[in-house]
Amino acid sequence: DIQLTQSPSSLSASVGDRVTITCRASQNIKNFLNWYQQKPGKAPILLIFAASTLQGGVPSRFSGSGFGTDFTLTISSLQPEDFATYYCQQSFSTPPEYTFGQGSRLEI
Amino acid sequence: QVTLKESGPALVRPTQTLTLTCTFSGFSLTTSGMRLSWIRQPPGKALEWLARIDWDDDKFYNPSLKTRLTISKDTSKKQVVLTMTNMDPVDTGTYYCTRLTGYGDFADWGQGAPVTVSS
Repeated sequence: DIQLTQSPSSLSASVGDRVTITCRASQNIKNFLNWYQQKPGKAPILLIFAASTLQGGVPSRFSGSGFGTDFTLTISSLQPEDFATYYCQQSFSTPPEYTFGQGSRLEI
Repeated sequence: QVTLKESGPALVRPTQTLTLTCTFSGFSLTTSGMRLSWIRQPPGKALEWLARIDWDDDKFYNPSLKTRLTISKDTSKKQVVLTMTNMDPVDTGTYYCTRLTGYGDFADWGQGAPVTVSS
């Protein structure tokens, strides 16, 4: 199965900071990589699919990049509502065997 | 507007079978390309994909849990059902019903159903 490793596992930042979270796949997954945001007690929300395509309604301060095995999620200027846990997820496997990263917790 | 809502028991005894129902609206599971999945999350831990069912009744399971899982659909009731046998305390967590797009991203989520496995 394809393993996803996120770094850092947790980070502290301030409002207005630029933040980057990395997701590394154990094998080439092309651009079949998606990012989610999850706040405590809530279901995850899809932010970015296909590595770099912003889901409708998601603020433009979020962006994604990468191809193959290395991917990044960037928040250009942190807002108070962005403090949450972020997960990457791959959808490359055939037959389907979706896997998630372990999560990156973004704290104030 | 797509909505998904999970329902099922909040408490299950060890060795029992868990049955969860996802009731959805805003789309039809008979539409070509439509897919639903179940995902779970133990307290304080990461997300884990469990199973997927497609509009054409294709079914896919997490290999590590495949022997314990069954996913099915009732298109007339607009429901998808997940059963998990031989429940154990490590299966405690929140279980989500999700809708996938063709790209394999989980675009829509239910609110989640918390399940505790305890005697």
